[in-house]
Amino acid sequence: DARVTQTPRHKVTEMGQEVTMRCQPILGHNTVFWYRQTMMQGLELLAYFRNRAPLDDSGMPKDRFSAEMPDATLATLKIQPSEPRDSAVYFCASGVPRMGGYTFGSGTRLTVV
Amino acid sequence: GENVEQHPSTLSVQEGDSAVIKCTYSDSASNYFPWYKQELGKRPQLIIDIRSNVGEKKDQRIAVTLNKTAKHFSLHITETQPEDSAVYFCAASKPGGSYIPTFGRGTSLIVHP
Repeated sequence: DARVTQTPRHKVTEMGQEVTMRCQPILGHNTVFWYRQTMMQGLELLAYFRNRAPLDDSGMPKDRFSAEMPDATLATLKIQPSEPRDSAVYFCASGVPRMGGYTFGSGTRLTVV
Repeated sequence: GENVEQHPSTLSVQEGDSAVIKCTYSDSASNYFPWYKQELGKRPQLIIDIRSNVGEKKDQRIAVTLNKTAKHFSLHITETQPEDSAVYFCAASKPGGSYIPTFGRGTSLIVHP
């Protein structure tokens, strides 16, 4: 059963530190999303890539967040500097448009203290 | 952009009862409607989806209905079981992009034994 792999699963860091989250999409999936999940806001789209090109990152705070896809097997989401309000679960999802729903990774639970 | 409203936010039923979760969407161009189930501490997983060229789709105890004119769609779970307890998310997406799903806020379904 193909899976989207995210690392780390959990991250606790101090305010001001840099955080990097990684995602390995399913082989052959050409679309990758980053979502943030909180109780207050639900699932928020941060960024998405198609064929490794960033197509929309309007949901992402540009001053501190950045998303990249250096190759087809790796997507990264970076926060620098991190703040307590960034505490959330960050999900990566991948899929192929028109083929159906997307597959989510297990998420990275980030806690910024 | 698309706006998806989901109701109720919490639903409590007795084992064996039916459960219905309703969603409305705003963009008439949306034509793909997936439903995701998220168990506590786990990733959202696709359970059923429907495209706008059909009005209903069933998969064992779950079914989804779509009313394009009214722009609403619903998830129906029959003969509920305790393992159906989870948060359910509806989503809407459209072509012309990457079928980016816009999610509802989620419904917490509790099935009492």
